[in-house]
Amino acid sequence: DAKTTQPPSMDCAEGRAANLPCNHSTISGNEYVYWYRQIHSQGPQYIIHGLKNNETNEMASLIITEDRKSSTLILPHATLRDTAVYYCIVRVANTGNQFYFGTGTSLTVIP
Amino acid sequence: GAGVSQSPRYKVTKRGQDVALRCDPISGHVSLYWYRQALGQGPEFLTYFNYEAQQDKSGLPNDRFSAERPEGSISTLTIQRTEQRDSAMYRCASSLVYGSNTDTQYFGPGTRLTVL
Repeated sequence: DAKTTQPPSMDCAEGRAANLPCNHSTISGNEYVYWYRQIHSQGPQYIIHGLKNNETNEMASLIITEDRKSSTLILPHATLRDTAVYYCIVRVANTGNQFYFGTGTSLTVIP
Repeated sequence: GAGVSQSPRYKVTKRGQDVALRCDPISGHVSLYWYRQALGQGPEFLTYFNYEAQQDKSGLPNDRFSAERPEGSISTLTIQRTEQRDSAMYRCASSLVYGSNTDTQYFGPGTRLTVL
């Protein structure tokens, strides 16, 4: 399974866009990029996922580079409630649906 | 139910005792997963089921840990002869289908296990 690398922490001003990077240089062609977040001690919450095209939903946008070796999660207008740990995960292909989480990026939204 | 539920939410036990943690997945979800999460770390995969069949238990730390899902719905994670290092948050997740890279997992609130 491909490994991911994320910065351990980031700050973002409230109302501004939060751009969270992730490197996954060893990703294979049929592996998807998923983003989850975890607020306080709650269970991880699904945000978005993609294969090679950029994706957008009501929560965020996902930008995947053409070579698929990195991606960026964008929260367009960060609020205080977006303060959380964000996990970038590459889905293991053909071995089931388990996720391998890393340590993620701790995002703090500053008033 | 509306979401994945787990019980108990908190469990305190003495070293050497056995514990059973329960997970009730979202109704109709085929796949069920168990994770363990230490403080400050991301969830660590333990095992998962498709229906009642245990597909992968490679993440179970040792043979004191076991899991079952006899009727393809509720699952129980059992830890025998607990040790202090077993203290962690144990999380369960379920997903609607298996065999697809695009399916998403929905997590429960977790069981906080403390071994004294």
